[in-house]
Amino acid sequence: GEDVEQSLFLSVREGDSSVINCTYTDSSSTYLYWYKQEPGAGLQLLTYIFSNMDMKQDQRLTVLLNKKDKHLSLRIADTQTGDSAIYFCAEIVRDDKIIFGKGTRLHILP
Amino acid sequence: EPEVTQTPSHQVTQMGQEVILRCVPISNHLYFYWYRQILGQKVEFLVSFYNNEISEKSEIFDDQFSVERPDGSNFTLKIRSTKLEDSAMYFCASSERGEWEQFFGPGTRLTVL
Repeated sequence: GEDVEQSLFLSVREGDSSVINCTYTDSSSTYLYWYKQEPGAGLQLLTYIFSNMDMKQDQRLTVLLNKKDKHLSLRIADTQTGDSAIYFCAEIVRDDKIIFGKGTRLHILP
Repeated sequence: EPEVTQTPSHQVTQMGQEVILRCVPISNHLYFYWYRQILGQKVEFLVSFYNNEISEKSEIFDDQFSVERPDGSNFTLKIRSTKLEDSAMYFCASSERGEWEQFFGPGTRLTVL
């Protein structure tokens, strides 16, 4: 069935780069997403990538997509304390429902 | 910037009671969704709704659940007889054309005692 897997925790020193990895199963997904959830808040679409792209860069964010391996990653350059949150990898299935991973909790070390 | 709103932010109810969670999608959006997130778990799709009918629903969305668009602005999720395991954060989302970008509301935390 459809599934998205990602590691649950990541600790990074402030100023370093954070890399969050994800694997997904549905090869027909047209879009893949990274959502950010801060404590007590809703889901904020951070960035997305269309399935025919390999890479997308948006300021400090770089998304890499390996369709062959069904692997998606999010790199946050120069990680700040404000980046502390849960990051959800997600894919859209049949252009309708979004399947989320369990989320990676990013912890920033001083 | 237009946003999806949800009320209440937190609802506490007794097991067996009915609850209605309310959402106001973005005004020109036509596709509506409910998702839920049990504490510490992944966000799960519940149901999608378009043209006044359910487009797709998950296994979680059983006969105890229903959705409605009672007027031109609200989109509601009703749980008829709540169970302890219904305790979760419920997110409403909407999209303009059923395409890639779904806008999520801030969520309603439902606690069933």
